[in-house]
Amino acid sequence: GQNIDQPTEMTATEGAIVQINCTYQTSGFNGLFWYQQHAGEAPTFLSYNVLDGLEEKGRFSSFLSRSKGYSYLLLKELQMKDSASYLCALFNDYKLSFGAGTTVTVRA
Amino acid sequence: DGGITQSPKYLFRKEGQNVTLSCEQNLNHDAMYWYRQDPGQGLRLIYYSQIVNDFQKGDIAEGYSVSREKKESFPLTVTSAQKNPTAFYLCASSTLGQGVTYGYTFGSGTRLTVV
Repeated sequence: GQNIDQPTEMTATEGAIVQINCTYQTSGFNGLFWYQQHAGEAPTFLSYNVLDGLEEKGRFSSFLSRSKGYSYLLLKELQMKDSASYLCALFNDYKLSFGAGTTVTVRA
Repeated sequence: DGGITQSPKYLFRKEGQNVTLSCEQNLNHDAMYWYRQDPGQGLRLIYYSQIVNDFQKGDIAEGYSVSREKKESFPLTVTSAQKNPTAFYLCASSTLGQGVTYGYTFGSGTRLTVV
């Protein structure tokens, strides 16, 4: 197994920054994905890291350190619509394995 | 517009009945996947297929069956052998190239309730 761990829940204030951590234990993988999922809906793609370092896409950034078995998703300038679950997933052997997800609640 | 379609959105079945969930894509994607999601849990892989007429078991294949007779279609049958079938089922597709993916495209999901 790949043992992908994320915090269960996080709460933050509108306009703030939140960092969602993802740790994993695996011998190797091709890349790491982050998805956003609103309740009752399908996940939507946010970010993808293949190499170590930071990938920035507007208000969302994702970081990967393969040597530390660690990734994080950074959400800046939080908006109410960012209240959702955020899923960390590893791509290996032609398929994605998902963590349990982190539910982020944004308060006014 | 290209996309991936799951139907129906909601499905109710009596215990002991088999039920088939539909998944169709017109993205010309090679690979298709079925995942199950339970409340508060991540997505767990049921079956996947990288090419027509071939598919592999995922982590929780027991009680499920699939077919891939056409590139566009990957139906999932939930059999009576599945102990806890009530869940949210997600189908996804992807283009594959040299061991990497360009990301999944997900369908909108089917919520199956067995009573």
